[in-house]
Amino acid sequence: KQEVTQIPAALSVPEGENLVLNCSFTDSAIYNLQWFRQDPGKGLTSLLLIQSSQREQTSGRLNASLDKSSGRSTLYIAASQPGDSATYLCAVKNTGNQFYFGTGTSLTVIP
Amino acid sequence: EPEVTQTPSHQVTQMGQEVILRCVPISNHLYFYWYRQILGQKVEFLVSFYNNEISEKSEIFDDQFSVERPDGSNFTLKIRSTKLEDSAMYFCASEDWGPGQPQHFGDGTRLSIL
Repeated sequence: KQEVTQIPAALSVPEGENLVLNCSFTDSAIYNLQWFRQDPGKGLTSLLLIQSSQREQTSGRLNASLDKSSGRSTLYIAASQPGDSATYLCAVKNTGNQFYFGTGTSLTVIP
Repeated sequence: EPEVTQTPSHQVTQMGQEVILRCVPISNHLYFYWYRQILGQKVEFLVSFYNNEISEKSEIFDDQFSVERPDGSNFTLKIRSTKLEDSAMYFCASEDWGPGQPQHFGDGTRLSIL
């Protein structure tokens, strides 16, 4: 069964810093990997999706990379802002239709 | 931008009662999902639905659960006889066909079993 782990569990940084969130997964036979943002009491907002054949995706200040062979993905956030404060979730889709989620990284950006 | 909508936002139910959670996926999407998130825990996959039938389900999705797309727009999750441990946030998601299509999530229904 696919296991997805995210470290760190919580991160607090001053505004303006660049930061990296990590996601690792145990089964490299994935279809895609998606990064989400979850605000308290809210649903999940899709940030980036990387297909298994891709190495990275970028959207604005966000860049996600995928190394399928080592079972790792990173989410890089440039020039962090207080509005980036949220929980960031990594989810892996295997060749079936199941998504396996990590426990998330809770990010606080201090003004 | 089109979005997935879920109702109600909060449902309080007595243990043993039936509950139906409702979702309206994005209209041209073809794949539909239910997930749950127990407080403080991971988001867990329950079931996926395509072409009017279940395509995959997890071990959580036992005989107490069922899904339906009754009218081509709504997508429902029914829990027949609720237990205390069914208390969780339930998320609906939908996805368009094709590689590279992200899943879009609703804001969830918080289910509280008393």
